[in-house]
Amino acid sequence: QKEVEQNSGPLSVPEGAIASLNCTYSDRGSQSFFWYRQYSGKSPELIMSIYSNGDKEDGRFTAQLNKASQYVSLLIRDSQPSDSATYHCAVRGDGQNFVFGPGTRLSVLP
Amino acid sequence: GAVVSQHPSWVICKSGTSVKIECRSLDFQATTMFWYRQFPKQSLMLMATSNEGSKATYEQGVEKDKFLINHASLTLSTLTVTSAHPEDSSFYICSARDCSGRACEQYFGPGTRLTVT
Repeated sequence: QKEVEQNSGPLSVPEGAIASLNCTYSDRGSQSFFWYRQYSGKSPELIMSIYSNGDKEDGRFTAQLNKASQYVSLLIRDSQPSDSATYHCAVRGDGQNFVFGPGTRLSVLP
Repeated sequence: GAVVSQHPSWVICKSGTSVKIECRSLDFQATTMFWYRQFPKQSLMLMATSNEGSKATYEQGVEKDKFLINHASLTLSTLTVTSAHPEDSSFYICSARDCSGRACEQYFGPGTRLTVT
């Protein structure tokens, strides 16, 4: 069974620090990787996508992908209280299906 | 990013009645849409995959006769919760896949909160 795993948290970081969210996946054939942010009571919002090994930066967010290690991460620099949410990692395999991780709850403390 | 809408955003219904939830992709065509359910403080649970013009594919444990899915056009999928019961109260979220770009991306609707009394 194809799986995506994340630490459920909560991950607590002080305001201004770097938050590091990690995700591992089991399907070596996975092609595309995504990070979604979900605020409490709201639906998930796509914030980053990454398709090749290495880093991809977008503002305060950096996604990192290592296909050999089957590992994808999201770094949030200068964390703000408004970043407090649950972050879901999602992986799309060659079968086109998206598999979502259980999410990591991030809490940024003022 | 692409926009996906859902209607209604919140519905309260009596036990035994049926509720229909609509999911629309507003600025792209979605051959594939997905229906998720999320209980409080729990993760997203995929219920079914809706393919335009064909029958939906249901995840294990999801009753297809209770959760009727229709994907009649490339921009609209509907989920009907039939004979709803209090245990069906949940946050129902649809998602649509946009494959118009270099790679397919999946966008979520705002969700529908269902309360069955």
